[in-house]
Formats: sequence, structure tokens, C-alpha cells
Amino acid sequence: AQTVTQSQPEMSVQEAETVTLSCTYDTSESNYYLFWYKQPPSRQMILVIRQEAYKQQNATENRFSVNFQKAAKSFSLKISDSQLGDTAMYFCAFMTRRLGDTGTASKLTFGTGTRLQVTL
Amino acid sequence: IAGITQAPTSQILAAGRRMTLRCTQDMRHNAMYWYRQDLGLGLRLIHYSNTAGTTGKGEVPDGYSVSRANTDDFPLTLASAVPSQTSVYFCASSRTHGNTQYFGPGTRLTVL
Repeated sequence: AQTVTQSQPEMSVQEAETVTLSCTYDTSESNYYLFWYKQPPSRQMILVIRQEAYKQQNATENRFSVNFQKAAKSFSLKISDSQLGDTAMYFCAFMTRRLGDTGTASKLTFGTGTRLQVTL
Repeated sequence: IAGITQAPTSQILAAGRRMTLRCTQDMRHNAMYWYRQDLGLGLRLIHYSNTAGTTGKGEVPDGYSVSRANTDDFPLTLASAVPSQTSVYFCASSRTHGNTQYFGPGTRLTVL
């Protein structure tokens, strides 16, 4: 079974600083996808960044970047120039196999989340 | 562009009552999902649907049922609510396998 581990329940960072959130996963699959979702106090689940396992290049989206270490099964999220609006719960998620024999749906397994507080 | 809408936003329900949570997407996505979010457990898959007319069980399906009569709608029904079903429920959709799942705003359900 696939598992996703986020070992940092809570983190704090000052505005304009850089913070890294860690995520490790366990799988025997070779083809999969990794995601970071952000959940602010509004409760909405928002996609931050996505990484395909077959791509060696780390994904970036503006101030957000990942460090994807496939051999180590590690997928950390780096937030640069932190802003107050980055305060949220961050979930790492892992997607692999189809649900159903030939389905369009995919199994997405979530970690337990890291609560990030950005302070002045 | 609405994306995914869910109704109601929140609900307090007496144990034993029947409740249907509604979910509608306007992205013409093939796959739809229901998750529940509980403190310290992240999100867990309840049921999913690959396409209209088909549904499947996720990790925690007991006490829940779903239907997919058309592409856009994917209601989740609690036939007889119990307090352990108190949770935040998220509906999600994706175009096909491997694509990003997009989430609705969630429904907070409290069963007393």
C-alpha cells in the first residue's frame, strides 16, 4: 500500500523568508504523480504544484518549487519570499494506479498535513 | 467559471436521519470523487466514479452511497447518519487518469 508521511505537523516562518516542508512516500510503483495542495482557513483545497515521477526536472510555480528525490522517495516543497497569504495547511499527495480496471479515476493518497504559519 | 460546487455549505443533522450532499462540476470531467477530512487523518476517499453510470468504493465507503446519473452531478448519501460521520466532505473531479484532481469548497457535516 502507498503511504505518504509529513513529519512536520506545524511550522512557522517570518514574512519574506524561505521555508521547506518535507514529504516522503512509500511505493513500489515506477510511474506516479506527486502534488502539494494548500488549504487556507477558507477550507478550499488549492493545487500548489504537481510533479510527474518520470520528469527529472523539479517543478516550479512562481515562489513555490519542489525538490524531488525519486530514489529517496522524497518530495519537499520550498516556499520562497513567504507571504502572510501563504498561511495554510499544506498537504502532500501521491497518485498512482487507476481506480477500476480501465477507469479514468486515479487513487490519490494524502499525508496528514503541515500547518504553516507566516508571521510578521 | 464555477468549477465544482457543493451544497450545503454546512449542516447539523440528528443521528439516524438521511442526508444527501450535492456536488456539481461544469468542467466536463470524466472522474469524480468524494473524500472526507478528519483532524489528523488528512483526506480519505469514500467513493469514486470513472464516468456516468459507474461508481466504485474507496477506502472508507461504509455508511455512504453514491450515484452518477450524468457527467456533472455526483451526490453522496448517508442513509442513516451516525456521529462518526461528523466530518468535512469534499467533492473532487479530474479529466482522466493521472490528471490533477480539483476540489469543491467542502461541506461541514455535524451529526449529533
